[in-house]
Amino acid sequence: EVVLTQSPGTLYLSPGGRATLSCRASQSVSSGFLAWYQQKPGQAPRLLIYAASTRATGIPARFSGSGSGTDFTLTISTLEPEDFAVYYCQHFGSSPTWTFGQGTKVEIK
Amino acid sequence: QVQLQESGPGLVKPSETLSLTCVVSGYAISNGYDWGWIRQPPGKGLEWIARIHHSGTIHYNPSFESRVTISADTSKNQFSLKMTSMSATDTALYYCARRGQGLAMGAFDIWGQGTMVTVSS
Repeated sequence: EVVLTQSPGTLYLSPGGRATLSCRASQSVSSGFLAWYQQKPGQAPRLLIYAASTRATGIPARFSGSGSGTDFTLTISTLEPEDFAVYYCQHFGSSPTWTFGQGTKVEIK
Repeated sequence: QVQLQESGPGLVKPSETLSLTCVVSGYAISNGYDWGWIRQPPGKGLEWIARIHHSGTIHYNPSFESRVTISADTSKNQFSLKMTSMSATDTALYYCARRGQGLAMGAFDIWGQGTMVTVSS
């Protein structure tokens, strides 16, 4: 089973700043099956990125995903006030199984 | 616009069976897609539980396989989850979600708002 480890646990940034979130897989995975979600307090997760780098419908261009193999990154180029939230990476495995990372919280500095 | 709405008992006693339902609107589940259940304990991360294909194919997270059952009722356009032998560690927000298609097939692209389940005597 693939284990996803996200870092850092909490990222303290100011609005207008750039956020770089990491997701590391315990073994090489297909980038086609790596996704990112945003979750705000009291809300369900929202799909941001699928297939490692494709933005979901309606997701602003300031969100971008990259990576391959075991290392994946979610970048928010210019943080807006509404971007302060928890972000999860997720992998779809062949069993099939869906595995989530433990999350990175982006907090206002 | 596809929407998912979970419903459940809110409070379950230890050792009892949990029954949850997800009503889908805006799309007939018999027409396609996979549908799944994911949970989130308070203050913690997300955990996939089960998935049902529109054809009826089912898969479970091995961690839950011995005590969960997912099913679908196309006449009511809903799918359900039953989880037996509930304990305090099963206290969580339970989400239903739709699995994406095509390039998004590895992700859940539409989620319900979640239903909180507390296990307590």
